[in-house]
Formats: sequence, structure tokens, C-alpha cells
Amino acid sequence: NAGVTQTPKFRVLKTGQSMTLLCAQDMNHEYMYWYRQDPGMGLRLIHYSVGEGTTAKGEVPDGYNVSRLKKQNFLLGLESAAPSQTSVYFCASSFYGANVLTFGAGSRLTVL
Amino acid sequence: RKEVEQDPGPFNVPEGATVAFNCTYSNSASQSFFWYRQDCRKEPKLLMSVYSSGNEDGRFTAQLNRASQYISLLIRDSKLSDSATYLCVGRYLTGTASKLTFGTGTRLQVTL
Repeated sequence: NAGVTQTPKFRVLKTGQSMTLLCAQDMNHEYMYWYRQDPGMGLRLIHYSVGEGTTAKGEVPDGYNVSRLKKQNFLLGLESAAPSQTSVYFCASSFYGANVLTFGAGSRLTVL
Repeated sequence: RKEVEQDPGPFNVPEGATVAFNCTYSNSASQSFFWYRQDCRKEPKLLMSVYSSGNEDGRFTAQLNRASQYISLLIRDSKLSDSATYLCVGRYLTGTASKLTFGTGTRLQVTL
């Protein structure tokens, strides 16, 4: 099993550009999450989903949108990238809510 | 005050040493705790859950002290491969949902 797969692994954007990060899991997990990790800040929850067709805001949702059209996929979109969104983004999934998480390998985004 | 606080380190210890990390938490309504391990430029991976009675997994022992609101991780006979950042994670009930709060991590460097 692949677990949680994120694409792309690296991306450089210019301010104002848009992009989508894709997360796919093959563990039949109901819950999926997008986090960002910045130095000295710990992992912060951006958005999450408790099942197909549902999404909810986390701690730092501004500037991001998400969609969960299929149970196995969770997409994170940046409509107009800003330098403050330079970060490492991790997708995670879990069988039960807010419990043991399986993380993807991360997506390193730089916004110039 | 952060909900979950950790000493960032680094803790530099020789191979074979015993090292302990503490993590303090501010929300007394916390439900459960976890320790994750994160290697440099990799994703976090679950190391162990922390049970009220304490639990051990090989060279690793986790303890929870609810009276003083901290959890600890003890690593015995440190190996070079234990070098990583250790993340403390608390699970809290907020309304009808639970959420996870990540500490910023404690870095361990094991040397020859």
C-alpha cells in the first residue's frame, strides 16, 4: 500500500499565481487533513474533511480552499499565492477523527 | 500560552545514553496524547501513544502526569538512528469534535 501520496513534492510560485496540491490515500480512511509546518510554529491545521463531500476550516484556513469529491482524494488550492504561504504542506488521514494520523511525505512550496 | 509546549533542544547525547523529554500542556480537558517522530525533511510518523498508566515499547517509555500536566518520553540506550525531532501531540475535545494540537518539537542528536 502506498499510504498517503502528495503531489507535487516541490513547487515555486510567483505571488498571485494559483495552484492545487493533491493528496491521495488508499487506506479507506474517512478523515483527511491539510497541515502546514513552519519553523518554530509546529504543525497547524488548515482544513480538514470528515468524509466524502465534506470540508471544514481548521486553525489557519485563510487563503486556501479544499475539496473532497472522492473519498480517497483531498485537494488543497491556493487561489492567489502570497509569500506568507511559503511553507511545507502535509496531508494526513485517519480512520477515526483526531486520532492517529498517517502523513504524506510533504509538499514544499515557495512563493516569490 | 501555547496549548502544548516543548523544549526545542537540541539535546546532544552520546550513543548509549538515556535521554528524557518533557512536554507540558495547558488544557486540563485533554483526552489523550501521542509522540511522533520526524526525521529531517520527512513527514511525522507515530512513535507511540501515551496511556495514563504509562507505556513502554522497547527502549522507549512514555508517561503521563495529569496532576502536573506533562507527558514525558524516555529513550534508553540511544542509537544514532534515534536522531530526529520528537513531536508531542495532545488530543482535545472541543464541543462535539476533537482536535489535535502539535508541539513544535524537541530535536535529538545522538553522537558517537
